[in-house]
Amino acid sequence: DIQMSQSPSSLSASIGDRVTITCRASQNIKTYLNWYQQKPGGAPKLLIYAASSLQSGVPLRFSASGSGTDFTLTISSLQPEDFATYYCQQSYNTPFTFGQGTKVEIK
Amino acid sequence: QGQLQESGPRVVKPSETLSLICNVSGGSIGSHYWSWLRQAPGKGLEWLGHTYYSGSTTYNPSLNSRLTIAVESSKTQFSLKLISVTPADTAIYYCAHYIARGYNYFGPWGQGILVTVSS
Repeated sequence: DIQMSQSPSSLSASIGDRVTITCRASQNIKTYLNWYQQKPGGAPKLLIYAASSLQSGVPLRFSASGSGTDFTLTISSLQPEDFATYYCQQSYNTPFTFGQGTKVEIK
Repeated sequence: QGQLQESGPRVVKPSETLSLICNVSGGSIGSHYWSWLRQAPGKGLEWLGHTYYSGSTTYNPSLNSRLTIAVESSKTQFSLKLISVTPADTAIYYCAHYIARGYNYFGPWGQGILVTVSS
């Protein structure tokens, strides 16, 4: 199985901060990498697919990049509604696997 | 892409079978892939498997052949059956539309259903 690891596991940030989350795959997954946002009590919601493609309806302050084994998700200016847990997920092969999540909390 | 809604028993006894249904509304189940995922309380996400509308399936080997995912005869629902459950199977179970268009991802998800394995 492809192992996905995220860092940090959690972070505290203020409104307006620039936030970056890193995801690393245990092998080359090209750009088969997706990012999801999960708010407490809710289902995950797709933010980014194919490493850098913004899902329709997702605010432009979200961006992502990377290929191979190293990927990043960036929130350019953190908004109150962005406090959530973020997961990366590889879709290169089955079993599809997720990172352990990064919880973004209010400072 | 439609909306998804999970349903089924909220409590299952150890060694019994966990059965869930995902109802798909507002879109066609045909020519698409449909997935089940789960999240143990306070934990991360685990992909369980998916089915194509024609019935072909792919499962996570970690479930040790305990899992069956199927499209129901109504063609607007798909199901999950997990046999021989233990407390480790306690989780929120989500159904999701698996988008496979070269780049693959989980599109709309259901709201999730918490299933507790307990005697």
